[in-house]
Amino acid sequence: DVKVTQSSRYLVKRTGEKVFLECVQDMDHENMFWYRQDPGLGLRLIYFSYDVKMKEKGDIPEGYSVSREKKERFSLILESASTNQTSMYLCASSPAGGTNYGYTFGSGTRLTVV
Amino acid sequence: AQSVTQLGSHVSVSEGALVLLRCNYSSSVPPYLFWYVQYPNQGLQLLLKYTTGATLVKGINGFEAEFKKSETSFHLTKPSAHMSDAAEYFCAVRHTGANSKLTFGKGITLSVRP
Repeated sequence: DVKVTQSSRYLVKRTGEKVFLECVQDMDHENMFWYRQDPGLGLRLIYFSYDVKMKEKGDIPEGYSVSREKKERFSLILESASTNQTSMYLCASSPAGGTNYGYTFGSGTRLTVV
Repeated sequence: AQSVTQLGSHVSVSEGALVLLRCNYSSSVPPYLFWYVQYPNQGLQLLLKYTTGATLVKGINGFEAEFKKSETSFHLTKPSAHMSDAAEYFCAVRHTGANSKLTFGKGITLSVRP
């Protein structure tokens, strides 16, 4: 069964901490995505990557960065966590060019910044 | 640019009643269309998709959706609601171009009353 695995289901961090959210997929997908999900706002795209070492900003990249050193791993970094970054974070992947495919999502990481 | 409209944020039905969740899209060309379901504290799971061919698409858990180009709609239905259908549902569209991204609606929460 193909999978996208997010390393933590729940995370509590302090304001100002540097936070790493990890995502690993075992499907050899080229494309990977990070979303945040907030009530009433739906899913908002933070960053995405079409290949190793490539990254592109999504709709709300401020306060975030990403790293993709290996094809299977896409990390989201909160350089200095703030309370307004408390949210559910979802990672997803899809094959390159396969627009008739949807995305495969991880189970999400619920981050609380205190 | 493409967009997705899911009217309302919450739908409540009785167990055994018809489920109808509406989705309209705007796109300059016929897109690929998807419905996802999200159970509490989980990631998104693909319910069904329309790419080409038959406009009535059947998915998992007894759900189906019909692509109506003239109405730019892709409404999700299920003849008889079950308590386990209570979840959040997202409609999404994707262009047919290479590396195009999914655009999600804001989601709609389905409650099922006993």
